[in-house]
Amino acid sequence: GQSLEQPSEVTAVEGAIVQINCTYQTSGFYGLSWYQQHDGGAPTFLSYNALDGLEETGRFSSFLSRSDSYGYLLLQELQMKDSASYFCAVLGPGGGGATNKLIFGTGTLLAVQP
Amino acid sequence: DTGVSQNPRHKITKRGQNVTFRCDPISEHNRLYWYRQTLGQGPEFLTYFQNEAQLEKSRLLSDRFSAERPKGSFSTLEIQRTEQGDSAMYLCASSLHFANTGELFFGEGSRLTVL
Repeated sequence: GQSLEQPSEVTAVEGAIVQINCTYQTSGFYGLSWYQQHDGGAPTFLSYNALDGLEETGRFSSFLSRSDSYGYLLLQELQMKDSASYFCAVLGPGGGGATNKLIFGTGTLLAVQP
Repeated sequence: DTGVSQNPRHKITKRGQNVTFRCDPISEHNRLYWYRQTLGQGPEFLTYFQNEAQLEKSRLLSDRFSAERPKGSFSTLEIQRTEQGDSAMYLCASSLHFANTGELFFGEGSRLTVL
């Protein structure tokens, strides 16, 4: 089977740093993506890790450890607009031969307080 | 706007009726995905196309669901004999270099409410 685990909710204050963890168990793994979704909006891509290590994109960083089946998203200098749901998603093989698909976790609702 | 477009954005229907959703992907994207999302959950994979070929269909999709992508451009998702359990947000996404970037471009979704 396939499963991804994330905390359901995280609360932090403006200006702080928050880390959202993701552990996964999947049949086939190419990489780990992170998506942000504001209430009522479309999921938007944040980052992708195919190799172990840290990827930094502005205030957001993402980490992957393939041996531990673990990753995290790090958000720095939190702003009110960062209040949203954050999903980790495993990029893995699809069922149609040389194809692939994303399997999403259940998401972490981040509330940023003033 | 050159993003992924979905319509209708909202659909309210009575149980037993058929509904159809349309997705217009970003024009050069050859891969197109349909996902379903319910409140408080992550998107669940339904099906995907590479160009006009439907390469995978989730076991979550009953025979009441059918998707097409004629000529490899826009796609439609039809649900026949809708049930209350079909109420969800139906998301379409497209990509060109997905395998290397892990990035899908999602539309705003079509919200279905079955009464």
